[in-house]
Parts: sequence; structure tokens; C-alpha cells
Amino acid sequence: AQTVTQSQPEMSVQEAETVTLSCTYDTSESNYYLFWYKQPPSRQMILVIRQEAYKQQNATENRFSVNFQKAAKSFSLKISDSQLGDTAMYFCAFMKSNFGNEKLTFGTGTRLTIIP
Amino acid sequence: EPEVTQTPSHQVTQMGQEVILRCVPISNHLYFYWYRQILGQKVEFLVSFYNNEISEKSEIFDDQFSVERPDGSNFTLKIRSTKLEDSAMYFCASFVLAGGSDTQYFGPGTRLTVL
Repeated sequence: AQTVTQSQPEMSVQEAETVTLSCTYDTSESNYYLFWYKQPPSRQMILVIRQEAYKQQNATENRFSVNFQKAAKSFSLKISDSQLGDTAMYFCAFMKSNFGNEKLTFGTGTRLTIIP
Repeated sequence: EPEVTQTPSHQVTQMGQEVILRCVPISNHLYFYWYRQILGQKVEFLVSFYNNEISEKSEIFDDQFSVERPDGSNFTLKIRSTKLEDSAMYFCASFVLAGGSDTQYFGPGTRLTVL
């Protein structure tokens, strides 16, 4: 079974600064996907970024980027130029690659607060 | 942009009552899921559904729970006799293989409160 660990329950950072959220996972699979989802106070789950394990290049989406270290089973999220709207819970998630029909396994989340 | 929708947004029910949570997945998606999030906790997988049958279910998904896709568009989760501990946010998600864009898209959730 897969496990996802987020060791930082809470973080805060000043607006416009850069912050990195940590995530580690454990799996025996070789093909899989990793995701970061954002959950604002509305509690909707919003996809932030995804990474395919077979790709060596780290994914980026505007101010969001990941540092994917496959050997270390680490998948951290970096938010640059943080904005007040980034305040939310952030969940790291794992999904096996099996041509669909695979569940997401989530970490316990990191509550991020951006301070004006 | 297509999105997953869920109704109702908030459901309040008495313990022992039946509830049906509804979801409309993205139209060309083939895989459907229900997840649950108890307040302050992580999101947990309940069940996955493909080709009109359950593909996988978690330990949480006991005989009180059922899912169906009655009309080719809606995807429902039924809880037959609700318990206090069923109070949670319930998320529907859908998925399609897209050759490198394989991602589960979530609906906005239904907040279930059992009194």
C-alpha cells in the first residue's frame, strides 16, 4: 500500500516571499503520478500541479513548481511570490499509473497562511 | 471549462435517515470516485466506479453505502442509515485517460451533517 506523509501541519510566510511545502511518499510502484491539491476555506479541492514519475523534469505552473526526487521519494511544492489567495490547505497525493481506475492517496495536509 | 458538479452543497439529516448525494461528472470521463473528508482530517478514498460497476472500495465503504449511475450522467452515493460519524465533506471526482494529462477532477463537495 502507498503512504503519503506531510510533516509540516502548518506554515506561514509573508506575502511575496517564497515557501516550500514538503511531501514524502512510500511505494513499490515504478509508474505513478504525484499531485498537489489546494483546499481553500470553501473546501473545494483544486488541482495545483501534477508530476509523472517517469519524467525527470520538474513540473511548473506559473508561480508553482515542484522538486521531484524519485530516489528519495520526495515531492515538494514551491510557491514563489506568494499571494494572499494562496492561503489554504495543501494536500500532496499519489496515484498509481494503471490506465485509469486508480484511487488517490492523500497526505494529512499543510495549512499555509500568507501574512499581509 | 467542463467541471464536476455536486448537489446539494449542504445536507442536514437525522441519524438513521437515508441520504443520496448526487454528482454530475465531466461528460467524457469514464472513471468515477467518491472521497470523504471528516472535518480537520485528510481526504479518504471511498469507492471507484467504472463500466457500471464498483472497481474498488475502501474499508469505510460498508453495506450502508451504495453507488450507482442511473442515467448515464448522474453518479450517486447513497447512505442507507446515516450515523453521526458519517458527518463529513463528500467529494465526487471523475477521470479520463488523456495521454499524459491523467488527473482526477473534483467537484465542490457536499457537506453532510448528521444530527
